[in-house]
Amino acid sequence: GQNIDQPTEMTATEGAIVQINCTYQTSGFNGLFWYQQHAGEAPTFLSYNVLDGLEEKGRFSSFLSRSKGYSYLLLKELQMKDSASYLCAAYMDSNYQLIWGAGTKLIIKP
Amino acid sequence: ETGVTQSPTHLIKTRGQQVTLRCSSQSGHNTVSWYQQALGQGPQFIFQYYREEENGRGNFPPRFSGLQFPNYSSELNVNALELDDSALYLCASSLAGNYGYTFGSGTRLTVV
Repeated sequence: GQNIDQPTEMTATEGAIVQINCTYQTSGFNGLFWYQQHAGEAPTFLSYNVLDGLEEKGRFSSFLSRSKGYSYLLLKELQMKDSASYLCAAYMDSNYQLIWGAGTKLIIKP
Repeated sequence: ETGVTQSPTHLIKTRGQQVTLRCSSQSGHNTVSWYQQALGQGPQFIFQYYREEENGRGNFPPRFSGLQFPNYSSELNVNALELDDSALYLCASSLAGNYGYTFGSGTRLTVV
């Protein structure tokens, strides 16, 4: 089967660093997305990893290891506006679908 | 460059009724996909349309159907509504071969 697991909720402090993990049992995917979703709003694109390794984009970085079935999103210099849900999703080229995790709700405290 | 717009934003329907949700894709995009997101869950893929044809489908029954129009806008139709159909319905547009999905803000459907 295809399954993507993320922690349900995490709490971090403003200015700190947080790592949100995503483990998957999904074979044959092209790449792994990370999206941010504020309550009641559309998911917005953060990153897309095709190759193993770390991709850095400003305060956000994403890592993928296909051999370990593991990805993480790293957020640095946390700001209050980073409070949101973070979803990882595997892109399946076979039928063009995204398979999503349930999302991690990140709470930032002052 | 306009984004993806969905209408209506909220909708309440009665069990057994039919509903049509609409989506205008981002300028320059030719592919539209639809997702169902239950509260506290990740989105579930319903189907994708490219050049007015469905070219990918998730595990949803046939009462979920769609259309794509020549201007790449799209509709999602759901017949014989069930209480479990209550969810946020998201539309995403993209350019075929490009992984840049742009999502709309969704339609919140409540079935009573």
